Amino acid sequence: DVKVTQSSRYLVKRTGEKVFLECVQDMDHENMFWYRQDPGLGLRLIYFSYDVKMKEKGDIPEGYSVSREKKERFSLILESASTNQTSMYLCASSLSRSYEQYFGPGTRLTVT
Amino acid sequence: ILNVEQSPQSLHVQEGDSTNFTCSFPSSNFYALHWYRWETAKSPEALFVMTLNGDEKKKGRISATLNTKEGYSYLYIKGSQPEDSATYLCASNTGGFKTIFGAGTRLFVKA
Repeated sequence: DVKVTQSSRYLVKRTGEKVFLECVQDMDHENMFWYRQDPGLGLRLIYFSYDVKMKEKGDIPEGYSVSREKKERFSLILESASTNQTSMYLCASSLSRSYEQYFGPGTRLTVT
Repeated sequence: ILNVEQSPQSLHVQEGDSTNFTCSFPSSNFYALHWYRWETAKSPEALFVMTLNGDEKKKGRISATLNTKEGYSYLYIKGSQPEDSATYLCASNTGGFKTIFGAGTRLFVKA
């Protein structure tokens, strides 16, 4: 069975903290994605990666960075967390860029 | 940025009712349309990937149609069951890496 895991289901951080969200997939997929989901809005793409060490900005990259040192792992970094980054964060992977995506269970991050 | 619109935003039905939702997307540069089901406390799961105008796909009691010329897709659920309660997401892809998601239709099925 295909699997995407995320390091935490729930996370509470303080304003200004550096936050790491980890995502691991076991399907040998080339492409990995980070989204955030807020009430009333669709999933919005933060960053994606199509290969190890390769990354591209999505639609809302400000305040975030990513790291992909190994094919199976894609990390999202909040350099200095702010309250407007309180959200649900979803990681996904896909075999090819327009193929269906496989999602992790999400991390609900609260920044106080 | 493409706009993918879904309606209704939420829907309450009784067990046994049939229901349908709409997804509208820009028809220019269309490549693929995805439907996902997202149950509470679980990961979104792919239902269908559709690429051809006139495509119709079916999985059990759930089916979907696609009109790429006018830019819409319908998702149908026949004889809704409580376990169908979920948020249904549609997403449009133009062949690149970015897939644009709608805000979803939240379905509640009452026993």
